Amino acid sequence: AAGVIQSPRHLIKEKRETATLKCYPIPRHDTVYWYQQGPGQDPQFLISFYEKMQSDKGSIPDRFSAQQFSDYHSELNMSSLELGDSALYFCASSPRTHPSYEQYFGPGTRLTVT
Amino acid sequence: QQQVKQSPQSLIVQKGGISIINCAYENTAFDYFPWYQQFPGKGPALLIAIRPDVSEKKEGRFTISFNKSAKQFSLHIMDSQPGDSATYFCAAVEGTSGSRLTFGEGTQLTVNP
Repeated sequence: AAGVIQSPRHLIKEKRETATLKCYPIPRHDTVYWYQQGPGQDPQFLISFYEKMQSDKGSIPDRFSAQQFSDYHSELNMSSLELGDSALYFCASSPRTHPSYEQYFGPGTRLTVT
Repeated sequence: QQQVKQSPQSLIVQKGGISIINCAYENTAFDYFPWYQQFPGKGPALLIAIRPDVSEKKEGRFTISFNKSAKQFSLHIMDSQPGDSATYFCAAVEGTSGSRLTFGEGTQLTVNP
């Protein structure tokens, strides 16, 4: 079965640089969620999109922005990177209809800021 | 402030034993409670989930027990296997908030051969 695709899988950036993470949801899934997971921590919700509109917003820094495109893929843009942004970034997708709450996670992008 | 509290932080069991992980919540608006399994460097994988109108759900070796009045739920892994060694997260969803997952702190399970 097709899964959520994230790219790149690994990314190394320097402080103050910009990073773009991409997420391709499971086919026919129209809702995308972004989560950040620090070392040894639980995933923290950042933002979600349904039908290309922002549906919920969590603890996402103002330096970060995201959008969902017409083909339902999503991009997370991170600017003025800080050392504390180093983490695993997961994208998850779900069908808005049934079952509505099941979220399927991608393999993640490991971002390292040096 | 952690909205979903999970215990224990780590758990070691012998092969064939029962692993039990507990979670508690305060927000009565939560209406969906999934469990995720995560291996190092991988994304969380949905294991099993329950809604508050059901007290127990079983899928294979995995069982969720739910106590709505106590606002607690737990995961039982029967006949634990070394391949079950992973980090387990309970989570909760409030449907009206857009379905974001609120996770517990996680339990690192080790099943010894």
